[in-house]
Amino acid sequence: QSVLTQPPSVSGAPGQRVTISCTGSSSNIGAGYDVHWYQQLPGTAPKLLIYGNTNRPSGVPDRCSGSKSGTSASLAITGLQAEDEAEYYCQSYDSSLSGWVFGGGTKLTVL
Amino acid sequence: QVQLVQSGAEVKKPGASVKVSCKASGYTFTNYAMHWVRQAPGQRLEWMGWINPGNGNTGYSQTFQGRVTITRDTSATTAYMELSSLRSEDTAVYYCARDRGDGYNIRFDYWGQGTLVTVSS
Repeated sequence: QSVLTQPPSVSGAPGQRVTISCTGSSSNIGAGYDVHWYQQLPGTAPKLLIYGNTNRPSGVPDRCSGSKSGTSASLAITGLQAEDEAEYYCQSYDSSLSGWVFGGGTKLTVL
Repeated sequence: QVQLVQSGAEVKKPGASVKVSCKASGYTFTNYAMHWVRQAPGQRLEWMGWINPGNGNTGYSQTFQGRVTITRDTSATTAYMELSSLRSEDTAVYYCARDRGDGYNIRFDYWGQGTLVTVSS
C-alpha cells in the first residue's frame, strides 16, 4: 500500500480535461513538502512533468498543471491527446519514513 | 546535455548480490545528489537511497537498510548501487535519478534508462 494514494485509472476523450488526485497525510503533503509529478510511457524511464506543486519544466506543455491543498495534490491535463496516454506518478517526502515516496500510479487512457 | 547511462541487464540467483552502475555526463557530477529508484513489474516506483557524490554521504530507505550500498567514483563520474541477499521479489528495473531542489523538497529531473535485474534460480 502506497503512502501517497492515487486512483488506479482515469480516462477521457481527446480534447477533454482529466484530473489525477494524490492523497497523502500529515507526514508528507500535509506537512508542507512539495509534490512532484512524473509521466511514464511504457518501457521508458519516468519524466518530470510538474515540480514544486505547480511548476512546469521547460518543454512541458501548458496543458499540464498542478495544484496542492491540505493533504492532497492534483494533476490536470487539458486538451487530451493520444500522446498523453501513460502512467502518472506523484512524489513527495515523508517525515515518518525519512525518505521520498511515490504514489501508486494512475493509468491515463485516451478513449 | 545531461545524460545518465546505466549498465546492462543482469540475471542473478537468490542470495547473490548485484551491482548496477550509472555513468553521469553533461554536468558537474559532484554538485548533484544521485538517487536510486526501483520498479517491480507492473508496480509503483520505490525509492531506495541516495548519495552525495561530493562528500560520499549516503541515506537509505528503511525498506532496504542493511541490504543496499550506494557508492561513487568521482574520477569516473559514476554512481553504483549494490543490493545483496537477492530474492525473487527484487526482480525489477532499477533507475538512477539526479536530484534537484532544496532540502527535502527535491525532485528527480534526469533519469537513467533503467537496468533490469532478474532474480531466478
